[in-house]
Amino acid sequence: DVKVTQSSRYLVKRTGEKVFLECVQDMDHENMFWYRQDPGLGLRLIYFSYDVKMKEKGDIPEGYSVSREKKERFSLILESASTNQTSMYLCASSPPPTGVIYEQYFGPGTRLTVT
Amino acid sequence: RKEVEQDPGPFNVPEGATVAFNCTYSNSASQSFFWYRQDCRKEPKLLMSVYSSGNEDGRFTAQLNRASQYISLLIRDSKLSDSATYLCVVNQYSSASKIIFGSGTRLSIRP
Repeated sequence: DVKVTQSSRYLVKRTGEKVFLECVQDMDHENMFWYRQDPGLGLRLIYFSYDVKMKEKGDIPEGYSVSREKKERFSLILESASTNQTSMYLCASSPPPTGVIYEQYFGPGTRLTVT
Repeated sequence: RKEVEQDPGPFNVPEGATVAFNCTYSNSASQSFFWYRQDCRKEPKLLMSVYSSGNEDGRFTAQLNRASQYISLLIRDSKLSDSATYLCVVNQYSSASKIIFGSGTRLSIRP
């Protein structure tokens, strides 16, 4: 069974703080993704990575950065958190081939509140 | 116009009923299609892929209509446990893969 874990289920941060969200997958998947999910807007892709140290911008990368130093770990960084980044953040991974996406396996999500 | 559109629902149907919902996509370059299920406060999970020839998995049937650019999901003999939000996902491949999620259709099965 594929397992994708995220570092926190719930997080409360203050405006201006730097926030790190960690995601780890145990199935040796090349592709990893960060989404945010908001009511009425569905899931929107922030960034994805198809290999170590590789990253591609998704649809809404502004205000976020990512890091992938090891294959199993993909981090999302909010450089200076703002209230409009309050959301549910979902990490996902998917098996190869690299860059061609088939099924995605999601982590349980981190509900981030920025006050 | 959204690239992937779904009727948000909610669809409220009695147990045992058959229910169907569609998802339309705007880009004819879309190449692969999926239905995901998301329970309340949980992560999305793959329900089924959608193939050109249509495919069935137990009580669930998925269809693709490329000419009209929509996919559909049919659930027969619905169970209480089918209550969830169903997300349509469309992948487009050009220079890189582009994954687009619909905002989901809420289904509620009543006893």
